[in-house]
Amino acid sequence: KQEVTQIPAALSVPEGENLVLNCSFTDSAIYNLQWFRQDPGKGLTSLLLIQSSQREQTSGRLNASLDKSSGRSTLYIAASQPGDSATYLCAVSDTNAGKSTFGDGTTLTVKP
Amino acid sequence: DGGITQSPKYLFRKEGQNVTLSCEQNLNHDAMYWYRQDPGQGLRLIYYSQIVNDFQKGDIAEGYSVSREKKESFPLTVTSAQKNPTAFYLCASSITTPWAEAFFGQGTRLTVV
Repeated sequence: KQEVTQIPAALSVPEGENLVLNCSFTDSAIYNLQWFRQDPGKGLTSLLLIQSSQREQTSGRLNASLDKSSGRSTLYIAASQPGDSATYLCAVSDTNAGKSTFGDGTTLTVKP
Repeated sequence: DGGITQSPKYLFRKEGQNVTLSCEQNLNHDAMYWYRQDPGQGLRLIYYSQIVNDFQKGDIAEGYSVSREKKESFPLTVTSAQKNPTAFYLCASSITTPWAEAFFGQGTRLTVV
């Protein structure tokens, strides 16, 4: 059974710092990996989707990488801002996109 | 304005009652999903449907039921058999290709009173 782990569980950084969030998964036979952002009491907003044949995806200050063989993904956030404060979740899909296994998330706080 | 609409945003249930959570999408997606989220945890799959009139159990289906009579609608009923229903419920949809992106609604917070 697929298991997804996110480390650290919480992270606090000063504004302007570059940071990396980690996601690891136990079964490398995945179709895609998706990073989401969740604000308190809200739904999930998709940030980046990496298909299994891809190594990375970029959107603005965000860059996500995927190493299937080692079962790892990282989300890199450049020049962090207070508005980046949220919980970041990664999810892997081994059938189709919606039927995914989620990690417990990393709660990020960016201090002004 | 395309998207997924969940209602209500907040729901209170007395013990022994069944309640139904609504999920509607206008993205023309074939697949729809229900997840449960408990505090500080990730999402766990309750039920999913890849086509009208068909659905499958996820990892934690006990105490829940669904229907899929229309492509755009996938309601979830939390029955009295669900022993610990207080949680945040999220609905999602996608196209049915394996590499497809999942889109989520804003969630319904259910509390047992």
